[in-house]
Amino acid sequence: QQPVQSPQAVILREGEDAVINCSSSKALYSVHWYRQKHGEAPVFLMILLKGGEQKGHDKISASFNEKKQQSSLYLTASQLSYSGTYFCGTERSNFGNEKLTFGTGTRLTIIP
Amino acid sequence: EAGVAQSPRYKIIEKRQSVAFWCNPISGHATLYWYQQILGQGPKLLIQFQNNGVVDDSQLPKDRFSAERLKGVDSTLKIQPAKLEDSAVYLCASSLVAGADEKLFFGSGTQLSVL
Repeated sequence: QQPVQSPQAVILREGEDAVINCSSSKALYSVHWYRQKHGEAPVFLMILLKGGEQKGHDKISASFNEKKQQSSLYLTASQLSYSGTYFCGTERSNFGNEKLTFGTGTRLTIIP
Repeated sequence: EAGVAQSPRYKIIEKRQSVAFWCNPISGHATLYWYQQILGQGPKLLIQFQNNGVVDDSQLPKDRFSAERLKGVDSTLKIQPAKLEDSAVYLCASSLVAGADEKLFFGSGTQLSVL
């Protein structure tokens, strides 16, 4: 079951904040966040596990609400380098054969 | 450390032709993945290997797609015959082991255009 991301696209000015949401209809064990710049490979941002704490580094952080099967990615004081498409990926268990299912992505454009 | 290597970077073929993509994962990574990313969509898992064994190939169109990882290191994905709807970027990724807390390292992908 593919997670649903919102919004599909957002345009911000440098320095503004953004929130990207990821929701699933199934119970989740983990949520991954990746950023992909045009023509490049997706790059890992962070993983949130069931029962874990909110994570973050620099000005990018994320939360995971297990009861609602939702995760949110927070980008504060956005920089030009934050532009790209953000994908969440979800897993329903910790078994090694569980596959990571990606959402359709949120395209973030930061303008000067 | 060296990243995930993929080749070719671009490939243009006509429908019904065959094509093969190659991937060399990060040294020591036991798990290798092939994803298909259609323009405007998220990556979709085609096949997952743990060493040289298949863990999941439930979304691989087995009538035309095949993949192997014979020595548990590099891998090849083949399409024969190709269809127009196979036009996509094919991403290879690897992780140290398989598990929900393992981050994936992606290669730059092979962009396939089927005419």
